Amino acid sequence: GQSLEQPSEVTAVEGAIVQINCTYQTSGFYGLSWYQQHDGGAPTFLSYNALDGLEETGRFSSFLSRSDSYGYLLLQELQMKDSASYFCAVKYFNKFYFGSGTKLNVKP
Amino acid sequence: NAGVMQNPRHLVRRRGQEARLRCSPMKGHSHVYWYRQLPEEGLKFMVYLQKENIIDESGMPKERFSAEFPKEGPSILRIQQVVRGDSAAYFCASSPTTSGVGEQFFGPGTRLTVL
Repeated sequence: GQSLEQPSEVTAVEGAIVQINCTYQTSGFYGLSWYQQHDGGAPTFLSYNALDGLEETGRFSSFLSRSDSYGYLLLQELQMKDSASYFCAVKYFNKFYFGSGTKLNVKP
Repeated sequence: NAGVMQNPRHLVRRRGQEARLRCSPMKGHSHVYWYRQLPEEGLKFMVYLQKENIIDESGMPKERFSAEFPKEGPSILRIQQVVRGDSAAYFCASSPTTSGVGEQFFGPGTRLTVL
């Protein structure tokens, strides 16, 4: 199967910038997606990179480098409500593969 | 436009009973995916369906589990003779196109507890 690795947990303070990395061992996928999931909630789509480079959506940006098998999600001006789990995901043929998730703790 | 709907939100079953989970995709979406999530873990792909067709069920156990997406009505994930290890959150997601490469829309999930 496809493998995506993320740090299990990250802690940052309100107002700071945090980067959540995702490394993968697959090829031929369409692109890299990011989802946010609050405790007890449904995953919600944040960002998608079809091509290498940086995609910016408000306070969130996502980056992909296929040559390095690497991507990241960048969250700026952290807010308490950003405390959640963040998952990277790729689609390979008919299946979506998700990383195990990074729990982000935002402290005041 | 209503989002993806799942019911029930919580389901308690005793070992050996059947669990039936329902998912209504977003209006206009004909592609449904089912995932399973254990606490503190990521989402594990189970099955991908289009209307009246199972496209890929390679992530679903061969025994006791089945899924359908009939022409009319919601998609159903059925677990027969449940065991404690089936306790998990089950999410469905829908997308409008065959690629759906970037974005899936998730339902609120069904939390299954097997006693």
